[in-house]
Amino acid sequence: GAGVSQSPSNKVTEKGKDVELRCDPISGHTALYWYRQRLGQGLEFLIYFQGNSAPDKSGLPSDRFSAERTGESVSTLTIQRTQQEDSAVYLCASSLAVIAGQNTEAFFGQGTRLTVV
Amino acid sequence: AQSVTQLDSQVPVFEEAPVELRCNYSSSVSVYLFWYVQYPNQGLQLLLKYLSGSTLVKGINGFEAEFNKSQTSFHLRKPSVHISDTAEYFCAVSEKGTYKYIFGTGTRLKVLA
Repeated sequence: GAGVSQSPSNKVTEKGKDVELRCDPISGHTALYWYRQRLGQGLEFLIYFQGNSAPDKSGLPSDRFSAERTGESVSTLTIQRTQQEDSAVYLCASSLAVIAGQNTEAFFGQGTRLTVV
Repeated sequence: AQSVTQLDSQVPVFEEAPVELRCNYSSSVSVYLFWYVQYPNQGLQLLLKYLSGSTLVKGINGFEAEFNKSQTSFHLRKPSVHISDTAEYFCAVSEKGTYKYIFGTGTRLKVLA
């Protein structure tokens, strides 16, 4: 597609339920990121995928959070047993691979607004 | 560890006035710097980036930023703002050769008529 696509755009769930968020990166982008944006705060790094390498999960806040990506395609972020503190906008981004130290910009989707009630 | 500081959480400014949004970073290695804009209910959009070369970088919508290595700053400026510039602006840093982007907490620019 033309840009990074995320679904759903909005999700309201009850505390304790599991949710799954989806991200379709830009075609050809090998790097994919998940960020969390709480109300009035900056972007918090969650996880990074780069091709077939092991993902960097260092930003995941707890073992209730997990993410998968198959090859260079769609990624899903799963939050189990949701808590009210999980309410936030979850942003996905993709970029071309870092080559020879040359970074490129990340392209963001519009995010999924998760509300846990 | 790298970090980004945006000291101003909100900046109100009148239409057609100049504006500067401040960004300071800390890192022990070479960095790449970015400014992103987030319009209401939209995703983040890249405004401009500094990778190498000239320290004065021009971006979209008339914005520019200057990389100052000695002051570890990358302030964003626009000589004359419009109502449509009302948005949240995020500064981000990425260390050379790494993949992680560290974002500041954002500055909400409100342009007043």
